Amino acid sequence: ETGVTQTPRHLVMGMTNKKSLKCEQHLGHNAMYWYKQSAKKPLELMFVYSLEERVENNSVPSRFSPECPNSSHLFLHLHTLQPEDSALYLCASSQDLIPNQPQHFGDGTRLSIL
Amino acid sequence: QKEVEQNSGPLSVPEGAIASLNCTYSDRGSQSFFWYRQYSGKSPELIMSIYSNGDKEDGRFTAQLNKASQYVSLLIRDSQPSDSATYLCAVLTTGNQFYFGTGTSLTVIP
Repeated sequence: ETGVTQTPRHLVMGMTNKKSLKCEQHLGHNAMYWYKQSAKKPLELMFVYSLEERVENNSVPSRFSPECPNSSHLFLHLHTLQPEDSALYLCASSQDLIPNQPQHFGDGTRLSIL
Repeated sequence: QKEVEQNSGPLSVPEGAIASLNCTYSDRGSQSFFWYRQYSGKSPELIMSIYSNGDKEDGRFTAQLNKASQYVSLLIRDSQPSDSATYLCAVLTTGNQFYFGTGTSLTVIP
């Protein structure tokens, strides 16, 4: 139990569907992150939120839309995705955005685009 | 050039041996370095962090940092089958960007 819970664990969707990934952290952390992990590639940081404000968007296509309603919850809204978007999407949190803070990861959502 | 590079492996060592995992990075001004362990189908788990040149030991794990040569390594002593996993190197660069390597797959053979 890492203190970071992601749902669903697996998601299969067509390219025209709209779905959302959910992340909840029970650690009292102030910073939350979305990562994409594809086979044979490094973890890619997608979005960073600190105290519910987006502080980083690493050139992520607009078909991915994050939402952070409070410091414990983070969503990733998906629409009109492409097959290359199939990957493991990981949520993480850290106490603050101070650089040396370790990040705690959820178990991820395995996303498959048909 | 990739920000963080690791040999993808797989690396196989017999039980009880020392496993040596290496990582190089491109931003010479980087100050913070992390090793994560990721079991198949699970999330990455932080196991070591190192910020200064030299060695840092924690149980069977030793992280080694050499900023002049821009490499960081992880040694696992008395390797156990339960150590079999993918080990990810992560570096915090001068621009406060967090980069991961592709990971090295380690198999410890009983």
